[in-house]
Amino acid sequence: EAEVAQSPRYKITEKSQAVAFWCDPISGHATLYWYRQILGQGPELLVQFQDESVVDDSQLPKDRFSAERLKGVDSTLKIQPAELGDSAMYLCASSLTDSNYEQYFGPGTRLTVT
Amino acid sequence: AQTVTQSQPEMSVQEAETVTLSCTYDTSESDYYLFWYKQPPSRQMILVIRQEAYKQQNATENRFSVNFQKAAKSFSLKISDSQLGDAAMYFCARQGIGSEKLVFGKGMKLTVNP
Repeated sequence: EAEVAQSPRYKITEKSQAVAFWCDPISGHATLYWYRQILGQGPELLVQFQDESVVDDSQLPKDRFSAERLKGVDSTLKIQPAELGDSAMYLCASSLTDSNYEQYFGPGTRLTVT
Repeated sequence: AQTVTQSQPEMSVQEAETVTLSCTYDTSESDYYLFWYKQPPSRQMILVIRQEAYKQQNATENRFSVNFQKAAKSFSLKISDSQLGDAAMYFCARQGIGSEKLVFGKGMKLTVNP
């Protein structure tokens, strides 16, 4: 069964350092989402791509976060510089389209900023 | 802000018994989608069940069913014949029609006792 792949699974970094996460969606899925899930809370959308275009990045802290999906397939989320408050689970999800099709989630990257 | 509220942070149930998880939401729209997602420990989030707001009939998926009360903006999940594998965080989520993002509740931790 096809799954959303994410790497790394765990990342520990010091504050002010740069960190990057990678996501490979299910083949054929046009829409890709990055969520941040703080411990004890539900996921919150950071950015949504339709193919290679950003559809929604209204909650992305653009002074330090960036995301790209250059060829409309896999995607990278970067944080520079990392802050203590960025410690969270970063989830990637994909769906066939953005029209309310089921979102399939990856296992996430657990980020700890020290 | 259009919010999703899960007022019970934790619940427990005996194996083989039935448990109901509650969820309320706020929206000004007449049509939308509602979801229950399950997030087992250290595993990815998966969709449990989905309800279209325009449908009066409550959705069911094997042992999982919902009680959708549109006027009350309530969307509860009933798990029948609970199994040990049902232990997880459960998140209620809402999505508007079109390309709107998923809005999640804070989640509820379900423990299943043998």
